[in-house]
Parts: sequence; C-alpha cells; structure tokens
Amino acid sequence: EAGVTQSPTHLIKTRGQQATLRCSPISGHTSVYWYQQALGLGLQFLLWYDEGEERNRGNFPPRFSGRQFPNYSSELNVNALELEDSALYLCASSSWTRTYEQYFGPGTRLTVT
Amino acid sequence: AQSVAQPEDQVNVAEGNPLTVKCTYSVSGNPYLFWYVQYPNRGLQFLLKYITGDNLVKGSYGFEAEFNKSQTSFHLKKPSALVSDSALYFCAALLSGTASKLTFGTGTRLQVTL
Repeated sequence: EAGVTQSPTHLIKTRGQQATLRCSPISGHTSVYWYQQALGLGLQFLLWYDEGEERNRGNFPPRFSGRQFPNYSSELNVNALELEDSALYLCASSSWTRTYEQYFGPGTRLTVT
Repeated sequence: AQSVAQPEDQVNVAEGNPLTVKCTYSVSGNPYLFWYVQYPNRGLQFLLKYITGDNLVKGSYGFEAEFNKSQTSFHLKKPSALVSDSALYFCAALLSGTASKLTFGTGTRLQVTL
C-alpha cells in the first residue's frame, strides 16, 4: 500500500512570491492534515481538510490556505512568502473514523530567500 | 493550557543498553498519546499510540511506552538500543476539544553509540 506522497521535495522561492505544495493521502483516507516544522518552533498544526471542507485551522495568518480535491488530494498555498516561512511542511492523512491515527508523508522543504 | 513536554533535548545511550525518552502532558480529560520518529530529511514515522486499555503499549521496532495517569507521563522505552535507533523522537497528543489537531512536544534527539 502506497503511503502519503508529497511534491515537490524541495521548493525555493523568493520573498513575496507564492508557493504551492501538494499532498496525496493514503488510499481510502479522506482526511488530510498540514503541519509546519520550522527550525526552533517545532511541529505546528496548520490545517485539516476532510471531504473537501476545512475542518480546523491552526494559528497561522490567512495567507496560508489550501483546498482538498474530490480525489482527497490536497494543496497548501502560501501567499506573500516571508523568510520565516522557510520550513519543512508535512502532510498527514487519516480515515474519517480514526482521525487520531495520522500517517505522515516525507515533507516538502520550502526555502524562502 | 494543554500541552505536551519533552524535557530532554538529547538522550545519549550505548548500544545494547536500555533507553528511555521522556514525555509528560498537561491536558483536561483523557488524552490520546503517540510517539513518532523522524530520521534526517524524512517525515514522521508512527511508532505507537495509547488510546485506552493496557497502560503498557507495544509498538514498532521493539519500542514500547508506558502510560502513567498519576504522573501524566508517557515515556518511550526500548530494552536494548541499536545505533540505527538514532533519530529525532516526538511525543504527541490529541487533546480534548482540538478536533484531530495533534499537539507535539519539542522533540528529543536520541544518539546511540557503539
């Protein structure tokens, strides 16, 4: 069974640009979660999507947004990039009935210069 | 405020010795508790979870964890460490009222040496 996949592996952007990160969940999983792992800040919850709807959001500004597609894959968009957005962005997925059991992808390393 | 704490930034242990990575939590209600491991440039790998039931939980790669409600702890243990266990370990909790948002500790780097 394929795990959670994320693309791209690395992304380099300039301050002020927009970044789009993609995630494909494990087959059969309907929930997708996004977390940010920034140096010195640990792992922070960003967003939770299920059945195409945003279910919960962490303490991040509105320029962090996303969506979930009918096939349950998801995009995370970060607008007006700032240097401090440089981080590893991790996607996780779970089934709706076991949202406490989240499986993580390898992450996208975003570097903002 | 509800939180998860990992009091040690780094734990050093010799191969073959038992290891313990500490985790404490501060929550209201009954938490769901987890351990994840992260190898360099990799995502998080699920090790084990405590939801309810037996306080001793067994997980992947020979790891286990003991849930102690009175001490609000969920320490990760392994009877005999391997060099390949060297990695970053995260304790996490699904706290009541947080609707599937995992709250992570700050992580503990485990270094196993020969």
